[in-house]
Amino acid sequence: EDQVTQSPEALRLQEGESSSLNCSYTVSGLRGLFWYRQDPGKGPEFLFTLYSAGEEKEKERLKATLTKKESFLHITAPKPEDSATYLCAVQAGKLSFGAGTTVTVRA
Amino acid sequence: DTEVTQTPKHLVMGMTNKKSLKCEQHMGHRAMYWYKQKAKKPPELMFVYSYEKLSINESVPSRFSPECPNSSLLNLHLHALQPEDSALYLCASSPQGGAISYEQYFGPGTRLTVT
Repeated sequence: EDQVTQSPEALRLQEGESSSLNCSYTVSGLRGLFWYRQDPGKGPEFLFTLYSAGEEKEKERLKATLTKKESFLHITAPKPEDSATYLCAVQAGKLSFGAGTTVTVRA
Repeated sequence: DTEVTQTPKHLVMGMTNKKSLKCEQHMGHRAMYWYKQKAKKPPELMFVYSYEKLSINESVPSRFSPECPNSSLLNLHLHALQPEDSALYLCASSPQGGAISYEQYFGPGTRLTVT
């Protein structure tokens, strides 16, 4: 069965303090790995798709990377508006979500 | 435009009521999805419509029934729900389903409370 594990569960950062979120996965035949951002009470917002090991994607202060066993979401010099839950999802058959990492950035 | 719209935003219903949730996308996507999300949990897939075929998560009870009137619309009909069905219901769409993997775009969700 596909497994997606995100760590840490929660992350509290000071504004400007860079950090990384981890998504490790065990799937048979990865077809894609996706990162989403979700604000409380709202639907997930698509951030990145990664298809193969070594691939990297960037958007503003966020950078996603992929290896054969895990993906990292790097947040560089975060701002309070980056506070959200970040979800990782992998697609082999159906899309399987991790439990998410809740990031809080203090001013 | 990467927008998926959902109505209503909030819904309160009794256990004997029948109601429907609506979802619409105008991106020409060929696959649409319903998810259920409980507080502090990830979304759980309920149904997939892809190329006019329905796929069902077998753990979803029959009191939930999807309907796809056309390629842009997806409804979720609710009947005789239980309090544990209270959750955020999310609709999503993607350019294609099947063997090719594409990102899914989510709507804002419907907050459902069953009393």
